[in-house]
Amino acid sequence: GQNIDQPTEMTATEGAIVQINCTYQTSGFNGLFWYQQHAGEAPTFLSYNVLDGLEEKGRFSSFLSRSKGYSYLLLKELQMKDSASYLCALPGTYKYIFGTGTRLKVLA
Amino acid sequence: EAQVTQNPRYLITVTGKKLTVTCSQNMNHEYMSWYRQDPGLGLRQIYYSMNVEVTDKGDVPEGYKVSRKEKRNFPLILESPSPNQTSLYFCASSLSPLAGGPAYNEQFFGPGTRLTVL
Repeated sequence: GQNIDQPTEMTATEGAIVQINCTYQTSGFNGLFWYQQHAGEAPTFLSYNVLDGLEEKGRFSSFLSRSKGYSYLLLKELQMKDSASYLCALPGTYKYIFGTGTRLKVLA
Repeated sequence: EAQVTQNPRYLITVTGKKLTVTCSQNMNHEYMSWYRQDPGLGLRQIYYSMNVEVTDKGDVPEGYKVSRKEKRNFPLILESPSPNQTSLYFCASSLSPLAGGPAYNEQFFGPGTRLTVL
């Protein structure tokens, strides 16, 4: 089966750096997604990692370690608009499993 | 504009009254899926469709039906809604998950349908 763990909530200050962790267990690995979801809105795609290492996209970076079953999303130069939930997701062959999400609050 | 649309966006209904939530995408995506989102439980997959006339159960299919008669549309049917189906529902679409080799394709989500069953 598949299982995903994420912290429920995190708080950080505007301009700071925050790391959101995701640990997972899966019998077959097909990569890992990160989505951002603002309150009351639809999730939107942030990143997809299938190989170990860090992938950078502007202020956002995502890291994967397949041997450790671990990923993190790194957000730099935090802005108020980054206040949202961040969802970690594992694709199966056709099914998807999402973590419960980490709600990030950015304080001024 | 590339998008996934859902209707209605908000619905309040009563137990047992059949309802359909429509989902349509204009990106020619093969894969479509329905999720429900509940506090503390995250997004859970209800049903998915790999292509026209090909559907399968996700993790929480009980009480729901779907159909995929056309590539662009993937309606969610609640034959006899119950209060435990009160939730926020999202439709999503993507290119075939296995297209392009080992890399999976991102899903595009509709705006959501907030359903209350009294």
